[in-house]
Amino acid sequence: RKEVEQDPGPFNVPEGATVAFNCTYSNSASQSFFWYRQDCRKEPKLLMSVYSSGNEDGRFTAQLNRASQYISLLIRDSKLSDSATYLCAVRSNYQLIWGAGTKLIIKP
Amino acid sequence: ETGVTQTPRHLVMGMTNKKSLKCEQHLGHNAMYWYKQSAKKPLELMFVYSLEERVENNSVPSRFSPECPNSSHLFLHLHTLQPEDSALYLCASSPIGPGAQETQYFGPGTRLLVL
Repeated sequence: RKEVEQDPGPFNVPEGATVAFNCTYSNSASQSFFWYRQDCRKEPKLLMSVYSSGNEDGRFTAQLNRASQYISLLIRDSKLSDSATYLCAVRSNYQLIWGAGTKLIIKP
Repeated sequence: ETGVTQTPRHLVMGMTNKKSLKCEQHLGHNAMYWYKQSAKKPLELMFVYSLEERVENNSVPSRFSPECPNSSHLFLHLHTLQPEDSALYLCASSPIGPGAQETQYFGPGTRLLVL
């Protein structure tokens, strides 16, 4: 089992729809969790950290489920500009372990 | 955004060449990282420097040699690379220490092609 797993997608979603994807992790002792966004041929950029209580930033909501060992990202009212690859990162043993990313395509 | 810069942005080299990648961070962070990103694969951590000391070396071949002369600069020296080393090489930095979120911020990367 991979340490951090994501559905590679692509998720093809109409503009304005709500989309959610998960990221599972294998190390139950993981301490911190992050969602990054990576546009084509660009570097990853931090989207949001994921706290135990969950957090929301505008149209984006991140949740942590420690019992089932996954984090989720929900995007409401999706925009064309949300098209990107979304990477999750999990801190385990003082390293960030990365998923391979989920590709999201928002269609007009 | 100029928090973390990398040069060159693109590099083509032969297997017998020697080249160096440069990274500079202007964020006042005290940890720096080299990652390799290949198509459809997770980011692979190569090296970590914390307070200018190397703290992680994830079984990276010796043809990759890092150097961290100070907390703002990081180099990756390349020699006798193989075609499978072609990838995007990303530099990142983060704060470390008690209470630090340790969020990593990335440079734009160097896209390397080894012929």
